[in-house]
Amino acid sequence: DAGVTQSPTHLIKTRGQQVTLRCSPKSGHDTVSWYQQALGQGPQFIFQYYEEEERQRGNFPDRFSGHQFPNYSSELNVNALLLGDSALYLCASSPDRGSVAYNEQFFGPGTRLTVL
Amino acid sequence: GNSVTQMEGPVTLSEEAFLTINCTYTATGYPSLFWYVQYPGEGLQLLLKATKADDKGSNKGFEATYRKETTSFHLEKGSVQVSDSAVYFCALSDPFSGGGADGLTFGKGTHLIIQP
Repeated sequence: DAGVTQSPTHLIKTRGQQVTLRCSPKSGHDTVSWYQQALGQGPQFIFQYYEEEERQRGNFPDRFSGHQFPNYSSELNVNALLLGDSALYLCASSPDRGSVAYNEQFFGPGTRLTVL
Repeated sequence: GNSVTQMEGPVTLSEEAFLTINCTYTATGYPSLFWYVQYPGEGLQLLLKATKADDKGSNKGFEATYRKETTSFHLEKGSVQVSDSAVYFCALSDPFSGGGADGLTFGKGTHLIIQP
């Protein structure tokens, strides 16, 4: 079992550019959540995808958007990058509501985004 | 809204000392509570969880009890080891206040340093 995988590992962009981050969930999981973790802070919830739709959204602007594919993998897109978007972006997956462990989220290693 | 407050770090202890990391929460519904650990250079790992009042989560010698009356979920371990050095995050999910989704709300993290 590969667990949650994310790509790329590191990324450097300049202000105003757009970026796409990718996530493959743990086998058997159908729900994907994205988090932003600034240096020295706890992760902040961006949004969650289930059945290819955004189910819940945190306090992030519309510049942050996402997508979930039929194979449950997901993308996070950020437009018009700002310096403040520099952070570690974490993807987490969880099993469906029928599972005993439905509220346990398994995290990937993250993508480190640097905006210059 | 939901929030999690945990003690500021770093917390420095000697090996075999007793550990307590305080965590209190505010939630509008009936949250599930979690402790996650982040070892240097790695992603977040679920350490333990509790889903209802008076539940005790435990794993790897760590324990935490869900106290509804004090809205707390303090992490404890009787005898810490150097290998326990990491950042510990308290978190909650409150699906009944979030449209049925399970986005986690995290504290800022507590950096634990265990000296030999």
